[in-house]
This record gives sequence, C-alpha cells and structure tokens, in this order.
Amino acid sequence: ETGVTQSPTHLIKTRGQQVTLRCSSQSGHNTVSWYQQALGQGPQFIFQYYREEENGRGNFPPRFSGLQFPNYSSELNVNALELDDSALYLCASSSRTGRDTEAFFGQGTRLTVV
Amino acid sequence: GENVEQHPSTLSVQEGDSAVIKCTYSDSASNYFPWYKQELGKGPQLIIDIRSNVGEKKDQRIAVTLNKTAKHFSLHITETQPEDSAVYFCAARYNYGQNFVFGPGTRLSVLP
Repeated sequence: ETGVTQSPTHLIKTRGQQVTLRCSSQSGHNTVSWYQQALGQGPQFIFQYYREEENGRGNFPPRFSGLQFPNYSSELNVNALELDDSALYLCASSSRTGRDTEAFFGQGTRLTVV
Repeated sequence: GENVEQHPSTLSVQEGDSAVIKCTYSDSASNYFPWYKQELGKGPQLIIDIRSNVGEKKDQRIAVTLNKTAKHFSLHITETQPEDSAVYFCAARYNYGQNFVFGPGTRLSVLP
C-alpha cells in the first residue's frame, strides 16, 4: 500500500452538477498531482499542487479546480459536470524536497456522470 | 510538449516466459522514467524507475533499460507469473516536480 488515500471510491453524479474529490498524501510528501484516466487509456495530467498553490496544469478547462491544505491533502473540484467527465480520477503524492522523485498513486475515485 | 508511445498494446505470454514492453519519448529533456502496474479496479503501482544518468536498473525479475540517444526505454519481466497479468504504463517526466506524461498502456496476460 502507498499510504495515499482517496475518497470516495465511487460516485455517481448528474450532468451539470458539481463534485469534490479528496486525497490524503503519503506522510512526508508535499506535492499532490491529479490525473484523469478514461477507460482503456493512460492517465492524463490535470494539475499539480505544491505549497498550497497550483504548480502546473494540463489541458483541462477552468471548471476543473483544486485546493491543497496545510497538511498537504488536496481536493479536486469539477463544476458543470459533463458526460465525458466520467473517468477514474487519480491523485499522486510526491516530494519536492531532497532527491526523491517517485510518485505514488491512490486507488482512485471512479466518477460516473449520467 | 512531451509525447510517449508504448508498444505493444496487448501482450500474451506463457507462464515462465519473458515479456518486453517498449516506450519512446519525444522530449530529450525528460530525465525520469517510471513504470507502473495497474490491476483491475486499483490505482497505478510503481514497480521500477530509471533516471537519465543510468542505462539499466534491475529489481529481481524486473529490469528497465534506457537509451537516451534513441529516446526509448523498455521494461523486461523474466520468469513471468500469472500475478504479473495487469496493465503496464510507462511514463516520462522532464523536470523535477513536474507532471508525468503516460503511454497508452500494455495489457499483459500471463497464461498458465
């Protein structure tokens, strides 16, 4: 187990609604990255948070937003849900101090938009 | 930006045989290349990684090789076992702290 936990594990929402997904990073890690994984594809980078600020963003619209808290946990918020937002959402925990560059993933949140 | 290609998309091997998955990347500035294993219903699990200053790394039955000149890297699994069956993803990262770019994945099936 990686020590990265995500909640909830599964979620069903209606198109147009808003959703918040949560991630607790591994102890000692100060960086959280969020990825979207559509069925049968590799994860796609959404954004990264470091020291409570967004530090890099992929090709996702502004309705995807996030937060990082002082304890390094993080939230991903998606507004105005669309059917294509149905996917597995993964958070990855890593450290930007020292030489560690490994990133460890949580088990993901499976979001279904109907 | 970085682009990662991965081949094959599916791979079936007999138990005990070796499996090789190959990836190429486009950005010569990429310097860190992890491999992840993803089982059904789970998040990706880091199984091995290699940095750009190393040509090969081995961990028991798993090894990764990197050719910086050709911009490709490969995962080698020897003595495959049924529990090796999963989807494997390669990834590349060009700068410390920045995001990964993943390949599309290889579904490995180890037949008993």
